[in-house]
Amino acid sequence: NAGVTQTPKFRVLKTGQSMTLLCAQDMNHEYMYWYRQDPGMGLRLIHYSVGEGTTAKGEVPDGYNVSRLKKQNFLLGLESAAPSQTSVYFCASSYTRAREQYFGPGTRLTVT
Amino acid sequence: DAKTTQPPSMDCAEGRAANLPCNHSTISGNEYVYWYRQIHSQGPQYIIHGLKNNETNEMASLIITEDRKSSTLILPHATLRDTAVYYCIVRSNFGNEKLTFGTGTRLTIIP
Repeated sequence: NAGVTQTPKFRVLKTGQSMTLLCAQDMNHEYMYWYRQDPGMGLRLIHYSVGEGTTAKGEVPDGYNVSRLKKQNFLLGLESAAPSQTSVYFCASSYTRAREQYFGPGTRLTVT
Repeated sequence: DAKTTQPPSMDCAEGRAANLPCNHSTISGNEYVYWYRQIHSQGPQYIIHGLKNNETNEMASLIITEDRKSSTLILPHATLRDTAVYYCIVRSNFGNEKLTFGTGTRLTIIP
């Protein structure tokens, strides 16, 4: 049981490049979330999904898109990366909204 | 969701109980108190949560005051591996999905 995994662990992008971050969970959770964490700050919710085929905006959605084509996967896309998107990205999942969230190990993204 | 206030940092001797306070004076009746921790740069880890009764699990105990305006997370026998940033979060189980992480308490366990 791997829990929540994230791919890749590290990435460096140039301004304007695009990329997709992959989150996978093997716990059959309905809810999945993408957060970003900037130095010295708490996590902020980017987008979330309440089930396969659904997505919704969180607190800081601009510049990101997401898709949840399969229940176990939640993809976060950056269409045109900007230096302001340099951050650590965490994915999380939970069985229901009321249950605790399980987090992945994070992806460190640097945009130059 | 209600706002929380935590001390920025605390030290605790290894083997002693670590008591981490959290103030949530504007908590409303349907809001739960959740505790998570983040060890170095890893993903946050769920510890415990409660509504009004005290709760205990294999990791910690959560004591919530009768008026629910504050709570204390207790790690009964702190080890060096408990060094982390601890986040107290107040959240309703209805409404928006945001899990609001503040700046937390940086707990350092001293050998």
